[in-house]
Amino acid sequence: DIQMTQSPSSLSASVGDRVIITCRASQSISRYLNWYQQKPGKAPKLLIYAASSLQSGVPSRFSGSGSGTYFTLTISSLQPEDLASYHCQQSYSTPYTFGQGTKLEIK
Amino acid sequence: QLQLQESGPGLVNPSETLSLTCTVSGGSISSSLYYWGWIRQPPGKGLEWIGSVFYSGTTYYNPSLKTRVSISLDTSKSQFSLRLSSVTAADTAVYYCARHSSSGYRDCDYWGHGTLVTVSS
Repeated sequence: DIQMTQSPSSLSASVGDRVIITCRASQSISRYLNWYQQKPGKAPKLLIYAASSLQSGVPSRFSGSGSGTYFTLTISSLQPEDLASYHCQQSYSTPYTFGQGTKLEIK
Repeated sequence: QLQLQESGPGLVNPSETLSLTCTVSGGSISSSLYYWGWIRQPPGKGLEWIGSVFYSGTTYYNPSLKTRVSISLDTSKSQFSLRLSSVTAADTAVYYCARHSSSGYRDCDYWGHGTLVTVSS
């Protein structure tokens, strides 16, 4: 199985801050990397697919980059509604695997 | 607007079989463009892909669960189902159904709200 490692596991940031979350794959997954946002008590929501493509309706302050084994999710200017956990997922090969999640708190 | 809704018992006895159904509305479950999958999340933990089914009935399962899991499709009811046998407390989780593309980057673009299944006597 391909292991996905996210960092940090949690972080606290202020409104307006630039936030970066990283995700590493245990082997190359090309650009088969997706990012999901999960608000407390809710289902995950697709933010970014194919490493850097913004899902329809997602605010432009979210962006993704990377390929191979190293990927990042960036929030350019943190908003209060961004309080959530963020999960990366590789869809290169089955079993599709997720990172352990990053819990984002607002200071 | 596509909607997915999970249904099934919220409490299952240890060693028995967990059965859940996902009802799809607002779109066709028979499309060759998509797989229909199950993903779970134990309380306070990360997400785990369980498996997916194609409109033809082709299935893909997580090897860690393969001996216990079965996913099937009923196109006449626009539903797909999960069966997980010989459950233990470790199978306690929120279970989500989701759609992901069969080509492209296979991202999960639509999810159900999730249903909590507790394994306990």
